[in-house]
Amino acid sequence: GAGVSQSPRYKVTKRGQDVALRCDPISGHVSLYWYRQALGQGPEFLTYFNYEAQQDKSGLPNDRFSAERPEGSISTLTIQRTEQRDSAMYRCASSDQTGAIEKLFFGSGTQLSVL
Amino acid sequence: DAKTTQPPSMDCAEGRAANLPCNHSTISGNEYVYWYRQIHSQGPQYIIHGLKNNETNEMASLIITEDRKSSTLILPHATLRDTAVYYCIVRADSNYQLIWGAGTKLIIKP
Repeated sequence: GAGVSQSPRYKVTKRGQDVALRCDPISGHVSLYWYRQALGQGPEFLTYFNYEAQQDKSGLPNDRFSAERPEGSISTLTIQRTEQRDSAMYRCASSDQTGAIEKLFFGSGTQLSVL
Repeated sequence: DAKTTQPPSMDCAEGRAANLPCNHSTISGNEYVYWYRQIHSQGPQYIIHGLKNNETNEMASLIITEDRKSSTLILPHATLRDTAVYYCIVRADSNYQLIWGAGTKLIIKP
């Protein structure tokens, strides 16, 4: 695709439900990141994939959060037993490079609201 | 990664140059300086990056001081569409966790 695509654009769920957020990176991009962004703040790192390998998941808040990228392309961020504090914009970014020189391309994000 | 310090907000008149400062006094020799911007609720957009030398592209210029402890992003002829939050980030090869501060909210006034 032309850009990083995320779905759904908005997700409203009840506390305790599981949600799955999808990211379709730019075709051929090696690196894939998940970020979370609260209103008025910069993005907060969650996890990073190099192809299908999850290289860094140290930003995931707790074990209710998990992510996968099984074929090195589309990625899913799953939040189990959602809580109100999980409400935020979740953003995905991809890059065709790795390391300090990479430029990140961000998707429009999924706005998650947990009621 | 080193932390950065930016003013929370700035104004600039349309058509003038917008100069956005960033302090990164603890930057290491292998860390690059990156600038991104975020317009309203859109995803952040890459602007420019550099290591030591000044850089220029179609969007902006990046001036890095000789000691690399600070840098300035220059938008040469600001337009209303440049109103956004601008983030300055430093990043080394080995660290994937870009640390994004609150950025500078730049308001371009007609």
